[in-house]
Amino acid sequence: DSGVTQTPKHLITATGQRVTLRCSPRSGDLSVYWYQQSLDQGLQFLIQYYNGEERAKGNILERFSAQQFPDLHSELNLSSLELGDSALYFCASSVGWSTRETQYFGPGTRLLVL
Amino acid sequence: GESVGLHLPTLSVQEGDNSIINCAYSNSASDYFIWYKQESGKGPQFIIDIRSNMDKRQGQRVTVLLNKTVKHLSLQIAATQPGDSAVYFCAENPGNQFYFGTGTSLTVIP
Repeated sequence: DSGVTQTPKHLITATGQRVTLRCSPRSGDLSVYWYQQSLDQGLQFLIQYYNGEERAKGNILERFSAQQFPDLHSELNLSSLELGDSALYFCASSVGWSTRETQYFGPGTRLLVL
Repeated sequence: GESVGLHLPTLSVQEGDNSIINCAYSNSASDYFIWYKQESGKGPQFIIDIRSNMDKRQGQRVTVLLNKTVKHLSLQIAATQPGDSAVYFCAENPGNQFYFGTGTSLTVIP
């Protein structure tokens, strides 16, 4: 158990809908990262938050957004969902802001868009 | 984007044998590398890391080798056990973010 929690574990929704994925980092970690993992690709970095502020952006679509709250938990919002958004979404956390630090991953949220 | 690839998508080994999983990376600026293990239904789990100022690093039953000349990384698992069955993938970091390979599926035959 990495200490990173994610909810929900599974999510089934329809195209055009909007969903929110939630992540709580390990105790003491200030950075939260979001990743997308689809069947035909490796983990794709989406976005990083550090202590409430956006720190780095990867391949995140404009339809996706995220935020980190004062209690350090983070939410990833996915809107206008398309079939291709079906994937595993992972959250990871690390102590500081550097992307070179070891990141500890949560169990993921499996999203299925029908 | 970055290209982090693996030489073999699947690997089967006999329990007790040593396993070697390979990874090729494309960015010569990458100076930090991590190997992750991902079991079915779980998130990636950190195994071992190595920085570019090193050629080799050992952990418990695992060794990572880095060859910067040919941009190649390998993970060696000694005395492979059934619990080692999982997908293993490498990640490279050129300074801004991690880029992950698609993974090699390791199956340990009892």
